[in-house]
Amino acid sequence: QVQLVQSGAEVKEPGASLRISCKASGYTLNSYIIHWVRQAPRQGLEWMGTLNPTSGGTTYLQRFQDRVTMTRDTSTNTAHMELRSLTYDDTAVYYCARGNAIYNDALDVWGQGTVISVSS
Amino acid sequence: SVLTQSPGTLYVSPGEGATLSCRASQSVRSNYLAWYQQRPGQAPRLLIYSTSSRAPGIPDRFSGSGSGTDFTLTISRLEPEDFAVYYCQQYATSPLTFGGGTKVEIK
Repeated sequence: QVQLVQSGAEVKEPGASLRISCKASGYTLNSYIIHWVRQAPRQGLEWMGTLNPTSGGTTYLQRFQDRVTMTRDTSTNTAHMELRSLTYDDTAVYYCARGNAIYNDALDVWGQGTVISVSS
Repeated sequence: SVLTQSPGTLYVSPGEGATLSCRASQSVRSNYLAWYQQRPGQAPRLLIYSTSSRAPGIPDRFSGSGSGTDFTLTISRLEPEDFAVYYCQQYATSPLTFGGGTKVEIK
């Protein structure tokens, strides 16, 4: 069964960093682009960036450019997303999702989401 | 490209049809426009890709149409499980962008 399994919920203090993992199951991570999308409480979806697991190449939304890093560990079939210098506005559910070339890179498989609360 | 969805909330009775709109601020190249459904507490689910192609397992009561800057998701006969939030997304150019969503509620 093809799925993306994300790490669990966390509470972070302002100024801290978060690191979320996204483990691919049922397929090889290298075969598809990984996107990261977040959703603030009662808000819509916001695309944050992509990771090409084959090359390690990344594209980030400009407003996250200086504080986000997306990486992968091919030995564990896992992608990671680190976000630094957290503020209260970073409270959100964070999703990883797979871009599938069969569907012209639409996002066909999503992780279950990781709830991040930024609180002092 | 900014995507604007309308209406924000749509009230529909079960068994009726619904039409959701998504307008882009610039033409979506190759009509790379997708629709996702999100139920409460769940991750989004791909319904439609490339404007009008249904993803595997998606019932044929869901259909997509449009081109350029104007796109539509039509649900022909709403089932109880269809009451959810729907998002359009363009994935033709970076940054990928989502619309603000349309919530389909029971009338």
